[in-house]
Amino acid sequence: DAGITQSPRYKITETGRQVTLMCHQTWSHSYMFWYRQDLGHGLRLIYYSAAADITDKGEVPDGYVVSRSKTENFPLTLESATRSQTSVYFCASSTITSYEQYFGPGTRLTVT
Amino acid sequence: AQKVTQAQTEISVVEKEDVTLDCVYETRDTTYYLFWYKQPPSGELVFLIRRNSFDEQNEISGRYSWNFQKSTSSFNFTITASQVVDSAVYFCALRGTWGNDMRFGAGTRLTVKP
Repeated sequence: DAGITQSPRYKITETGRQVTLMCHQTWSHSYMFWYRQDLGHGLRLIYYSAAADITDKGEVPDGYVVSRSKTENFPLTLESATRSQTSVYFCASSTITSYEQYFGPGTRLTVT
Repeated sequence: AQKVTQAQTEISVVEKEDVTLDCVYETRDTTYYLFWYKQPPSGELVFLIRRNSFDEQNEISGRYSWNFQKSTSSFNFTITASQVVDSAVYFCALRGTWGNDMRFGAGTRLTVKP
């Protein structure tokens, strides 16, 4: 049971480049989430999705774009990466009825 | 607005000591959900517990226990007889009635020394 996976696990990119982080879950969970983790801030929600083709902004959505054409995939795109987007990004999923979220292993992104 | 405060940034204890991690939350919702997650040095986030606002019973799971007090808006986590494997960052989180915006505290780094 693969659960929830993220790729790549590590990424270094340059300022201004577009980069896409992938998230894939095998549980058929309806909800999927993207968080960023920064020291002193805990985790902050970027975007979430209640189902395929339904997405909504979280606490820190600026500079990010998401899509969800299939239930199992929820890619996060940084259209023009900035140094302030250097962070660890976590994808998570949950069912409709149970509010606990299950997290992927994270992607460490460095923007130079 | 939802807010979670974990005032303890770092705690260091010696193995077998008991340790309590504090979590204070703010919400205007009458129904809400509280969570604890563990992030070991390997980096993954592990779900530990969920508590609904309408259920004030405390919970015990092995060496772990949780004390939920609505009167003080706190949801504290105690580890009894700590072990080195308990070393991790622990996050408290809050979800309100509506939407899916789960707010996390800044985390408490627990170090258990042998």
